[in-house]
Amino acid sequence: EDQVTQSPEALRLQEGESSSLNCSYTVSGLRGLFWYRQDPGKGPEFLFTLYSAGEEKEKERLKATLTKKESFLHITAPKPEDSATYLCAVLGTYKYIFGTGTRLKVLA
Amino acid sequence: EAGVVQSPRYKIIEKKQPVAFWCNPISGHNTLYWYRQNLGQGPELLIRYENEEAVDDSQLPKDRFSAERLKGVDSTLKIQPAELGDSAVYLCASSLEGYYEQYFGPGTRLTVT
Repeated sequence: EDQVTQSPEALRLQEGESSSLNCSYTVSGLRGLFWYRQDPGKGPEFLFTLYSAGEEKEKERLKATLTKKESFLHITAPKPEDSATYLCAVLGTYKYIFGTGTRLKVLA
Repeated sequence: EAGVVQSPRYKIIEKKQPVAFWCNPISGHNTLYWYRQNLGQGPELLIRYENEEAVDDSQLPKDRFSAERLKGVDSTLKIQPAELGDSAVYLCASSLEGYYEQYFGPGTRLTVT
């Protein structure tokens, strides 16, 4: 059965304290792995797509990486405005599956 | 470019009442998705349309939920009758043909009392 697990569930960081979020997946026929950011009361906002192991994508303070079993979202020197829930999703042979997300709080 | 539009943003109804949600996708996006998101959870796919055709409705509770996408543009999701467990945020998303990244609307927060 296709599955996506994100950890940790919640993370508190001081401004400037770098860290990583994890997304472990089991899926048949991976067609893509996606990272989204969701702010309270809003829909998810697309960040990255990764297609194959070894691929990396960067955007400002965020960097996403992919292996055959997991993906990491690295946050370098975060700022308070990076506070949000970060969702991972995988697209297998037939459908999207979302993880439950990591709630990130960056303290000034 | 306008994003995905959803209405209403909030809806409060009593159980057993009907409710409908409307979604207008980004212009040119032929794929449209409806999701349900419970508090603290990720979105759960209900139905996916490619143009007018529902190509994946395996997670749609068909006894009370229905959806349509006439003319392959905007879409309506209906619940009749609503149950207490239907309280959630209903999200609509769209994507371009051949691309997998989805663009979400703000969602409709449904409360069933």
